[in-house]
Amino acid sequence: DTGVSQDPRHKITKRGQNVTFRCDPISEHNRLYWYRQTLGQGPEFLTYFQNEAQLEKSRLLSDRFSAERPKGSFSTLEIQRTEQGDSAMYLCASSLGSVRGSPLHFGNGTRLTVT
Amino acid sequence: AQSVSQHNHHVILSEAASLELGCNYSYGGTVNLFWYVQYPGQHLQLLLKYFSGDPLVKGIKGFEAEFIKSKFSFNLRKPSVQWSDTAEYFCAVNAGGYQKVTFGTGTKLQVIP
Repeated sequence: DTGVSQDPRHKITKRGQNVTFRCDPISEHNRLYWYRQTLGQGPEFLTYFQNEAQLEKSRLLSDRFSAERPKGSFSTLEIQRTEQGDSAMYLCASSLGSVRGSPLHFGNGTRLTVT
Repeated sequence: AQSVSQHNHHVILSEAASLELGCNYSYGGTVNLFWYVQYPGQHLQLLLKYFSGDPLVKGIKGFEAEFIKSKFSFNLRKPSVQWSDTAEYFCAVNAGGYQKVTFGTGTKLQVIP
């Protein structure tokens, strides 16, 4: 179990730029989730995949956000035309979808700062 | 829609004190319930979970939680806290058959030696 890895750990970008984050889940996990966490708040659900299919996307997520998981393994989260309000920790997690109550395994996150 | 409430935002305890953190969820059907912990500088990790069976579940590091269906609660307890328990604790719910996991806002626990 090599754990969930996220890259990069930190990203500083200027407002209006596009950014892309990558997540590599635990290899046998078929579910992959993206969350966003800001200071003093719990993780906020963004989207999740079962294999390569994106099964749910938060209504809070604007059209500037897009996520992919092309081969059912790693995933990318892209934010276009970043805004200062996008500054947050972006968390990726994976789980075994076939097991009821299978917990989420989180990565260390990507901290985004939009200046 | 499922939601989770954690009423204690910041708790300060002395070592050896007993701990109880409240968690209430809103969903009328079958649920899976979790407590996650985030130690300073580390990623979120599972403390314990409930999905069926004995409503009193035991987790790592001496933590336990009790699922009380009639109260929609899943409170976290530890009889005697240690300085190393200083962390942020998150309650989470996953409604049966609904795959999104919803988190509460978290409780910061500070244990004073």
